[in-house]
Amino acid sequence: QVQLVESGGGVVQPGGSLRLACAASGFTFSTSVIQWFRQAPGKGPEWVAVMSDDGNNKYYPDSVKGRFTMSRDNSKNTLYLQMDSLRAEDTAVYYCAKRGHAAMAYFDYWGQGTLVTVSS
Amino acid sequence: EIVMTQSPATLSVSPGERATLSCRASQGISSNLAWYQQKPGRAPRLLIYGASIRATGIPARFSGSGSGTEFTLTISSLQSEDFAVYYCQQYKNWYTFGQGTKLEIK
Repeated sequence: QVQLVESGGGVVQPGGSLRLACAASGFTFSTSVIQWFRQAPGKGPEWVAVMSDDGNNKYYPDSVKGRFTMSRDNSKNTLYLQMDSLRAEDTAVYYCAKRGHAAMAYFDYWGQGTLVTVSS
Repeated sequence: EIVMTQSPATLSVSPGERATLSCRASQGISSNLAWYQQKPGRAPRLLIYGASIRATGIPARFSGSGSGTEFTLTISSLQSEDFAVYYCQQYKNWYTFGQGTKLEIK
């Protein structure tokens, strides 16, 4: 069955860095679009990074552009999110989620999430 | 950015009754809308996509309707497991979620 498992969250000081990973199984990873979201307490999810299945195209919202970098290793079925220059407002649960259809960005499978806390 | 506005923020309904949740887009999104259910400490769960298509394994008591800017999620006869937070998400232009409707037991 489809599984997405995030790891790498933790507590980091403002200005610090973290690298999240999302290990995928149960589907053809190399032809799937999987992206990163985050969710602060009491808020709806917010997308933070998306990458094409071949890794050639990457997009980020203004809130993280220049600080977050998404990558993927199709040989390991793993997605990564490198987060630099972290701020208090980056504190959230981070999820990876798989698109249900290549051309329609609804998300049919989500990981369990990993908590990132930015605090001094 | 397309802003999604959900109403009400909290809805109190008795088990067995019908619940109707609303979602409004700040500009037309055709049928590029999904609904999710989220329980505390859990990831969102896809219920509906294409505004009205139930996702795999979703019970028939969940139905979605609407197009353009106005959308509705209806749960026809509430079960105990349905009390949760519900989010709408547009995918016409990038991806934005509403702020959620908390469905609580009356």
